[in-house]
Amino acid sequence: AQSVTQLGSHVSVSEGALVLLRCNYSSSVPPYLFWYVQYPNQGLQLLLKYTTGATLVKGINGFEAEFKKSETSFHLTKPSAHMSDAAEYFCAVSDRDAGGTSYGKLTFGQGTILTVHP
Amino acid sequence: KAGVTQTPRYLIKTRGQQVTLSCSPISGHRSVSWYQQTPGQGLQFLFEYFSETQRNKGNFPGRFSGRQFSNSRSEMNVSTLELGDSALYLCASSLGFGYQETQYFGPGTRLLVL
Repeated sequence: AQSVTQLGSHVSVSEGALVLLRCNYSSSVPPYLFWYVQYPNQGLQLLLKYTTGATLVKGINGFEAEFKKSETSFHLTKPSAHMSDAAEYFCAVSDRDAGGTSYGKLTFGQGTILTVHP
Repeated sequence: KAGVTQTPRYLIKTRGQQVTLSCSPISGHRSVSWYQQTPGQGLQFLFEYFSETQRNKGNFPGRFSGRQFSNSRSEMNVSTLELGDSALYLCASSLGFGYQETQYFGPGTRLLVL
């Protein structure tokens, strides 16, 4: 079964600083990976996803992530943090299996709360 | 295109009662997945429906059930509520044909069980 680990439940940065949120996964098949953001009292919004092809994926709001198979990682970065980036971020893997039966299930990490200081 | 909608947004129930939550997917989407979000357990998959059939189910007790209608709208029901069922319940929709598809989430229904 797939699993996702997000290192650091809380990350704090200053406005304008680099944002780095870590995600490691385990998967028995080539993974499809996602990053979602959740603002208070809202649902989840997709930031970016990796399926196949280019390993550096660009998303919305200046975020990007790099799929590194050798490190089983999919870390999320943004060069310069903005106050509006303060939210909770979730890394997820599409829970597919070789038998093709595990539809519609995302397995999520525990989430990382990003705080941005002025 | 309208997004995923969930009703109601907030609910307060007492132990032992039952509750029904509703989810309307994005037009054209045939798959609806449900998740429970709690501070302790995080986001956990409940089940997924596609064309009125449950295709996948998470590790939740039988008190949690769902269904999907011919217009792809979905409901989930929780019977004999327990305090631990207090959570944010999220539904997500997608086309339903591939693991690489994006799931689009609704705003959630926050359930408080007293």
